[in-house]
Amino acid sequence: QKEVEQDPGPLSVPEGAIVSLNCTYSNSAFQYFMWYRQYSRKGPELLMYTYSSGNKEDGRFTAQVDKSSKYISLFIRDSQPSDSATYLCAMRRQGTGNQFYFGTGTSLTVIP
Amino acid sequence: DADVTQTPRNRITKTGKRIMLECSQTKGHDRMYWYRQDPGLGLRLIYYSFDVKDINKGEISDGYSVSRQAQAKFSLSLESAIPNQTALYFCATSDNTQKLFFGSGTQLSVL
Repeated sequence: QKEVEQDPGPLSVPEGAIVSLNCTYSNSAFQYFMWYRQYSRKGPELLMYTYSSGNKEDGRFTAQVDKSSKYISLFIRDSQPSDSATYLCAMRRQGTGNQFYFGTGTSLTVIP
Repeated sequence: DADVTQTPRNRITKTGKRIMLECSQTKGHDRMYWYRQDPGLGLRLIYYSFDVKDINKGEISDGYSVSRQAQAKFSLSLESAIPNQTALYFCATSDNTQKLFFGSGTQLSVL
């Protein structure tokens, strides 16, 4: 079983829709949770970063962590065509020498 | 200018050839990483380095070697390239926060 599972999609939504992207994980020791956005032929860029449980909001983006269910989500409100990209979740334990565990990514297309 | 620069952007090589991918950074970070990305497998760690004298194997280091020439430079070598090393390769850096900063990637094709 992979440490981090992510539905690869692809996901296609109309402009303005609310998008929900999710990852599940198996290791209860994960403490740091991240979402990266990757445009085609580009490197991933950090979008959201959360420590432990709870919600974090940044503009149209909300990251949510539910450690009891080992489940993290990224919500995108009022989605725009420029949000079309692959979204990767990532996580790590504390004190593990920077060992990051990545999901395989979900491909999102926002249709104008 | 990009904070993490990878060269070349694209490379086609033949089986058995030795090749080197280079990475340089202007972020001043001590920690540098090499990942490869394959469809359906996501990002996998090849090697990482916490400073110039520190080299650590990652999840899939077999067939690869690295050199940390300076704080800002970290190169990845394939001693004898094979077709299943065809992938998108990323260099990344981090400081003591839990955040990775990636370069734009090198698309490597081994024929």
